[in-house]
Parts: sequence; structure tokens; C-alpha cells
Amino acid sequence: GQQVMQIPQYQHVQEGEDFTTYCNSSTTLSNIQWYKQRPGGHPVFLIQLVKSGEVKKQKRLTFQFGEAKKNSSLHITATQTTDVGTYFCAGRKWSGYSTLTFGKGTMLLVSP
Amino acid sequence: NAGVTQTPKFQVLKTGQSMTLQCAQDMNHNSMYWYRQDPGMGLRLIYYSASEGTTDKGEVPNGYNVSRLNKREFSLRLESAAPSQTSVYFCASSVAGGPPDTQYFGPGTRLTVL
Repeated sequence: GQQVMQIPQYQHVQEGEDFTTYCNSSTTLSNIQWYKQRPGGHPVFLIQLVKSGEVKKQKRLTFQFGEAKKNSSLHITATQTTDVGTYFCAGRKWSGYSTLTFGKGTMLLVSP
Repeated sequence: NAGVTQTPKFQVLKTGQSMTLQCAQDMNHNSMYWYRQDPGMGLRLIYYSASEGTTDKGEVPNGYNVSRLNKREFSLRLESAAPSQTSVYFCASSVAGGPPDTQYFGPGTRLTVL
């Protein structure tokens, strides 16, 4: 079945440093979504990428979808303590109805 | 709007006991999902309901059953709980088909099976 791999599993940075998490799918994706889960909370949708090579920005967060639509990345510039949490990518195989396959997530810890 | 609500928030069961986790959404979404989250394992899909009247197995359905009671409610039942089912359970809902097909998650149920 479809697999979505995410690295690293965990990263600890100092406030102000940059952070990147990478997501790779074993199959070509129709689209990919990113979610953030704060400690003790539930996943919250951040963004969806659909087009090959797409780049989207949300303030300090930059999301990319690979040309082959099999990989994606999330980059945070100048991390803040509010960025703490686990970031999940989730891939969708078909453009019609299909379920999401989540990566295992990257836990980000930011020290002040 | 309350969004997606789940009950109970916490539950402790003994091996072999049964229970039903309740989920309701007030966003008029077509699709609903049950996930489990274990440390280091991400979110794994247990069952889903693409639309009212349909249910399908996800990645890890063994030991669970579901009921899509109506468009708003989707319940998850553990008939005979096992320690391996200790986990955090999240219910989610989505419009399905609309861009983007965002999933909205409930607050979760933390289940411990002794």
C-alpha cells in the first residue's frame, strides 16, 4: 500500500534557527496536505499543495511540492517557541475521493 | 459551531470490556474518519465513512466496528478491548471533494486498556 515517510522524527532547535521537515511518498500523489499538532492537542490543517513544483508561503512557513509529486517539504524560518509541536504531512493518492495517508510526523522543540 | 466533538475525553478499560466512542460534527460534512495515534506511529486510519450510509475499512480495522448513525454522527466500537488498543483516538470530518479537502479533527479520546 501507499507509504508516506517523514524525516526527521524529531528536531530540537534554538529560537531563531531554521527548521525543515521532509516528506516522501512511495507513489505519485494527487495532492499533499500539512497539519500541525500542538502538545496535547489535535491536528490542525495548515495547507494543501496540488500542482507539481508548487511553492506556498504562510508568513515564516514555506511549503514545497516536488516536481514528480512524490515529495514535499516544510521550512520554518527563524523559529519561535510558538512553533513547537508535531508537523505531519498527509498524501492523497487520487484526485477523486480517496483517504489521506499520514506520515509519522516530525516533532519540533524550540528552546528560548 | 462546535466543530467536531468526541466523548469521552478519557477512558480506562479492563481487557475484554467493550465501549463505544462517540463523534459528532455540526459542519454538514459528508465524510467522517476514525484514526488512532500511537507514539512514533503518526495517525493511522481505522475506518471511514465517505458519505452517510457507507463505511469502509482503513489501515488498521481489526478489533473495531463503526456505525454512521446519521450525517452528523460516527461511532467507533471496541467489542473486546485489548492492551494493544491503548491509544489516542481522533475523529475527523471533511466536506470531501472540495478544494481543499481539509480534515477537521476532534479533541481526541485517550483510552487506556489494562
